[in-house]
Amino acid sequence: QKEVEQDPGPLSVPEGAIVSLNCTYSNSAFQYFMWYRQYSRKGPELLMYTYSSGNKEDGRFTAQVDKSSKYISLFIRDSQPSDSATYLCAMSVRSGGGADGLTFGKGTHLIIQP
Amino acid sequence: KAGVTQTPRYLIKTRGQQVTLSCSPISGHRSVSWYQQTPGQGLQFLFEYFSETQRNKGNFPGRFSGRQFSNSRSEMNVSTLELGDSALYLCASSLTGTGGGSYGYTFGSGTRLTVV
Repeated sequence: QKEVEQDPGPLSVPEGAIVSLNCTYSNSAFQYFMWYRQYSRKGPELLMYTYSSGNKEDGRFTAQVDKSSKYISLFIRDSQPSDSATYLCAMSVRSGGGADGLTFGKGTHLIIQP
Repeated sequence: KAGVTQTPRYLIKTRGQQVTLSCSPISGHRSVSWYQQTPGQGLQFLFEYFSETQRNKGNFPGRFSGRQFSNSRSEMNVSTLELGDSALYLCASSLTGTGGGSYGYTFGSGTRLTVV
């Protein structure tokens, strides 16, 4: 079993819908959680960074961490075609990654239909 | 503000050859990390350099090596290339990297390596 599990999709939703993306993990020592967005032929771009449990909101994006369930989520409100990309969750034991760097999920391919 | 620059963007090499990839981090960033991205394994950590020293290393064979220069630019080298080394190689920079206090990394667009 991989340390971080993420449904690869594709997840296809109509424009304007609320999108929910999720990751589960097995290492209870993870404390720092990130979401990255990756467009085709580009590197990952940091969207959200959270520490420990709770919610964090930034514009149309909300990151949620439930450490008791080892489950993290990213919600996108009022989704736009420009949100179509692969979304990667990442986590680490300490800020900036531990000795093993950041541990990534494989990514969910999201398609927003106009 | 310039981002993370990786060169070249694309490379085609033959099995058994060696290859060197280059990464210029954001100005002022002293940590450079390298990741390999494949469809099967996703992103996997190769190693991190900070102030010209390798600080951490992932679970990759010794054929994968790197170095960092005094201006924080980094190079990654893969010797005796295998077909399985075909991947997108990503460089990520941050102020302090795994040293703590970093809030995520800035990635370059990667070098797409194809081994034939």
